[in-house]
Amino acid sequence: DAKTTQPPSMDCAEGRAANLPCNHSTISGNEYVYWYRQIHSQGPQYIIHGLKNNETNEMASLIITEDRKSSTLILPHATLRDTAVYYCIVRVKSNFGNEKLTFGTGTRLTIIP
Amino acid sequence: DGGITQSPKYLFRKEGQNVTLSCEQNLNHDAMYWYRQDPGQGLRLIYYSQIVNDFQKGDIAEGYSVSREKKESFPLTVTSAQKNPTAFYLCASSTRGGLNGELFFGEGSRLTVL
Repeated sequence: DAKTTQPPSMDCAEGRAANLPCNHSTISGNEYVYWYRQIHSQGPQYIIHGLKNNETNEMASLIITEDRKSSTLILPHATLRDTAVYYCIVRVKSNFGNEKLTFGTGTRLTIIP
Repeated sequence: DGGITQSPKYLFRKEGQNVTLSCEQNLNHDAMYWYRQDPGQGLRLIYYSQIVNDFQKGDIAEGYSVSREKKESFPLTVTSAQKNPTAFYLCASSTRGGLNGELFFGEGSRLTVL
């Protein structure tokens, strides 16, 4: 699976959009981009995933560049509860399970009141 | 409500003792996983199981053991052979097909060795 690079930390003002970047320059054509987040001392929570089209759900939007070498997770109106570590993961969709999901150190997002 | 339950949430152990962490899920998922997380670090895969009565080693299986006798249960034993067992342990599950790539995690168990 392709490796990802994320900034170690970011701040965002409450109510503003939080834009979290992720570089995955070695991504293969069949690899998806997944985002999870982990609030302090809890288990990670799935947010969103995509292949090449932009995706949106009730939690966030995922923007993937045309060359697929980078992506941005957007939290449109950040709240204090969005303070967490955000993980960007790239992997092949497998019929055999998720054992290849590799969680790096992610981006620590702090929402400022 | 459907979900994953880990217990205990906090556990203290003396050196040389084995300890078993419980993980139960009622999501009817075939696949279950155990991860370890150290402070400021990402998650590392210890063991995983894709089906009952079968499990595979992950990246850091030494000093750990698991069993998968029932679909809903995947207990992890931290043995005395684990050199540095103090950590945050996370259990997760997913559908076996994993086509959505979505892992569901428990709340974690924090083990401290005294």
